[in-house]
Amino acid sequence: NAGVMQNPRHLVRRRGQEARLRCSPVKGHSHVYWYRQLPEEGLKFMVYLQKENIIDESGMPKERFSAEFPKEGPSILRIQQVVRGDSAAYFCASSPGTEINQPQHFGDGTRLSIL
Amino acid sequence: AQKVTQAQTEISVVEKEDVTLDCVYETRDTTYYLFWYKQPPSGELVFLIRRNSFDEQNEISGRYSWNFQKSTSSFNFTITASQVVDSAVYFCALILYNNNDMRFGAGTRLTVKP
Repeated sequence: NAGVMQNPRHLVRRRGQEARLRCSPVKGHSHVYWYRQLPEEGLKFMVYLQKENIIDESGMPKERFSAEFPKEGPSILRIQQVVRGDSAAYFCASSPGTEINQPQHFGDGTRLSIL
Repeated sequence: AQKVTQAQTEISVVEKEDVTLDCVYETRDTTYYLFWYKQPPSGELVFLIRRNSFDEQNEISGRYSWNFQKSTSSFNFTITASQVVDSAVYFCALILYNNNDMRFGAGTRLTVKP
């Protein structure tokens, strides 16, 4: 019974490069959430996706960040032209359906470091 | 807008002491869910408990207990007879019904010394 799988666990990029973070939800879960945890801070909501649809991206920076959850394959959080301020832990969570009273199962996170 | 406040940034106790982590939330909605998560030094987020706004029953799970008081908008977490393995950052979180944005507190870093 695999939980939410995120990879890579650690990612190092130089300024200006692209970062791609992957998240495979719990089997059977069709809802994915991305959160960002800046150093010494709590988690901040970024985006909520269902299969092939972005439902809520109110927490996503307007530029350089994008997310997708295709019909097949993992959800991808993409950061273009990374800057030092993008260094953070990015967590993905999934839930099974429309009932948000389901606990959100979190992955172990991807720690992004920008050189 | 909803908000979660964890006023205690860091707490240090000696093993076997009891410790309570405070969580105060703000929302005008009447239907919401409250959560506690543990983030050990390894970094993953571990779900501990979920409570809905209509269920004010306190809950006990082993050495963990939770006290939900709607009158004071608090959802405090107590660890009894703390152990070194309890050392972690603990996050309280709130999500409104029909909302996608789970709001987290800033976290409380608990250190349990042997």
